Amino acid sequence: GAVVSQHPSWVICKSGTSVKIECRSLDFQATTMFWYRQFPKQSLMLMATSNEGSKATYEQGVEKDKFLINHASLTLSTLTVTSAHPEDSSFYICSAVLSPGTDTQYFGPGTRLTVL
Amino acid sequence: QKEVEQNSGPLSVPEGAIASLNCTYSDRGSQSFFWYRQYSGKSPELIMSIYSNGDKEDGRFTAQLNKASQYVSLLIRDSQPSDSATYLCAVTTGANSKLTFGKGITLSVRP
Repeated sequence: GAVVSQHPSWVICKSGTSVKIECRSLDFQATTMFWYRQFPKQSLMLMATSNEGSKATYEQGVEKDKFLINHASLTLSTLTVTSAHPEDSSFYICSAVLSPGTDTQYFGPGTRLTVL
Repeated sequence: QKEVEQNSGPLSVPEGAIASLNCTYSDRGSQSFFWYRQYSGKSPELIMSIYSNGDKEDGRFTAQLNKASQYVSLLIRDSQPSDSATYLCAVTTGANSKLTFGKGITLSVRP
């Protein structure tokens, strides 16, 4: 149980284009999902908390207009990197909490984004 | 600011030895503590969670928590080369399940 998938696993795009990353909970409903970014040799940095049916809560310093998050259903959250630039190249990872009131996060396999 | 600190590493141990990974946290209100393993190029995988003082064992892994000292550790017995990875300590505070990660320590198990 507690399987989280991400799609795509990797993506290469041109500077200025937008990229959408999907995060799905496969065998459970996730009212809360999280989006992280990880640069090489660094730890995970939380970007935002995504709650089903409401606006995402962004961490300080994360541009909400650049990183659009939508959590339209209990099994799907999407992260759209708008007008991507080379500095947005990173490993994007989502996680989901198994059930409300618990705090164990299960991570998706990650999406490696390369912006040329 | 909530901080989670881990030994700078890297840590190298011979196969079969005990690997000891340490972590301290700054927020006394922290409630839940996790160890994640991350292989190069992969996402973190949950190894252990611990919520109360003392030891928690799961196979070759033992997590230890001391809230008075704000200290959590992970022991890996009979270390195997497949245990070679980066180990991330993570802590939550409050009801929103947000994790604060340490920078991680890279463990290398020598055959």
